[in-house]
Amino acid sequence: SQTIHQWPATLVQPVGSPLSLECTVEGTSNPNLYWYRQAAGRGLQLLFYSVGIGQISSEVPQNLSASRPQDRQFILSSKKLLLSDSGFYLCAWDRGNSPLHFGNGTRLTVT
Amino acid sequence: QQPVQSPQAVILREGEDAVINCSSSKALYSVHWYRQKHGEAPVFLMILLKGGEQKGHEKISASFNEKKQQSSLYLTASQLSYSGTYFCGTVIYTGTASKLTFGTGTRLQVTL
Repeated sequence: SQTIHQWPATLVQPVGSPLSLECTVEGTSNPNLYWYRQAAGRGLQLLFYSVGIGQISSEVPQNLSASRPQDRQFILSSKKLLLSDSGFYLCAWDRGNSPLHFGNGTRLTVT
Repeated sequence: QQPVQSPQAVILREGEDAVINCSSSKALYSVHWYRQKHGEAPVFLMILLKGGEQKGHEKISASFNEKKQQSSLYLTASQLSYSGTYFCGTVIYTGTASKLTFGTGTRLQVTL
């Protein structure tokens, strides 16, 4: 069966510090991978999606970047965090027009 | 562009029915529905792949009107466990890939 791992579960970082969130998928190949962000009490904002290794599409200009070094690995990064980067970050995968499977999320607080 | 959901929030007594609507300004490839409990990741409910398709699972069902670029989620005889925020997700084909964009969300609270 397929599983998705996302870590860490919670993170508190000072403004200006770097960020690296990692997500890996098991049990499937060539998944579409996504990073979403959810501000407190708000909806799900698509940040990045990837249809293959090294192929990243950015949805919103921002302080973040994403990379896909391996087929089932998706990394969200920032060189310098801003207060506005705080939120609940969710990694997800699907295989085309199929249900989206989410990781458990990372709650990031930038102080 | 983000699909718009209505209502934004609804409070029900247990056993009552509710309808959540999702509208898009773009042609839709398919529609997904998810429910999110507070502090948790969204959970998949159902996907509608064809215009006119209707699906149901126990007392939760949905319809997809492709021409109107709309979908509706129907909650019948609501239970306390139905509480949460419901999101529709609309799939748009970009030519090279399909991507899922979530709606604005509808917060549902079921009370005794």
